[in-house]
Amino acid sequence: ETGVTQTPRHLVMGMTNKKSLKCEQHLGHNAMYWYKQSAKKPLELMFVYNFKEQTENNSVPSRFSPECPNSSHLFLHLHTLQPEDSALYLCASRISLRSGNTIYFGEGSWLTVV
Amino acid sequence: SQQGEEDPQALSIQEGENATMNCSYKTSINNLQWYRQNSGRGLVHLILIRSNEREKHSGRLRVTLDTSKKSSSLLITASRAADTASYFCATDDDFGNEKLTFGTGTRLTIIP
Repeated sequence: ETGVTQTPRHLVMGMTNKKSLKCEQHLGHNAMYWYKQSAKKPLELMFVYNFKEQTENNSVPSRFSPECPNSSHLFLHLHTLQPEDSALYLCASRISLRSGNTIYFGEGSWLTVV
Repeated sequence: SQQGEEDPQALSIQEGENATMNCSYKTSINNLQWYRQNSGRGLVHLILIRSNEREKHSGRLRVTLDTSKKSSSLLITASRAADTASYFCATDDDFGNEKLTFGTGTRLTIIP
C-alpha cells in the first residue's frame, strides 16, 4: 500500500463513451502524475501537476483530459478513445518536483477500449 | 527524450542465485532510481543513487552507478521466488526537469 489510490482498477469502455479515472493521495504530496504503460513500451509520462497547476503535457491527444481540483486528487477524463489507448494507466505522486524525491505509484487502472 | 534502457529484457534464474540487471541512459543525470513492478500492479520504489555516489546497498539489493559510462546495475543477491517481477530504472536529469523517465524494464523470473 503506497498511499496512492486509483479507481476503478478495471474499465472497459466503447469508443463513444465518456469515462473518468480517479486518483487520490493523502501523503501530503504536491506533485501528481499520469503515466501510460502499454505492453513492451517504456512508461510514458502523460501529465504532471504541481500545486494543482499543470506543468507538463507530453503531447497527449485531447481525448485525454486531466483535472486536478486540489493537490490530493487527480482525474483523467476519457472521451472517444481508440482501441490503441487500451493500457494500464498509472497515477503517481511526489512530495515535490525537486529532483531526487521518490515517486509513489498507485496500483493502476486497466483500461480496455472496445 | 532521455530514456533508461534495461538489459537484459528478460532474465530467468534459479532461486538462490544472484540476479544482475543493467541500465543505460543518455544524458547527464542528478540521480537514478530503481523500481519494481509485480505483474499488473503499480511500481514500487526500491533504491535511489545520486550522481555523486558509486555504490549503494539496501538489504539484498546492491546498486552501482558509473556516470562516465552512463550506466547502472542492480544486483539482487540470494534471489527468492517472490523477487519475480519487472525491474525499471528511472532517471532525474540535472536540468531541473520534473520528469522522471523510465526504461523498458527487465522481466525477472525466479525458478523455485
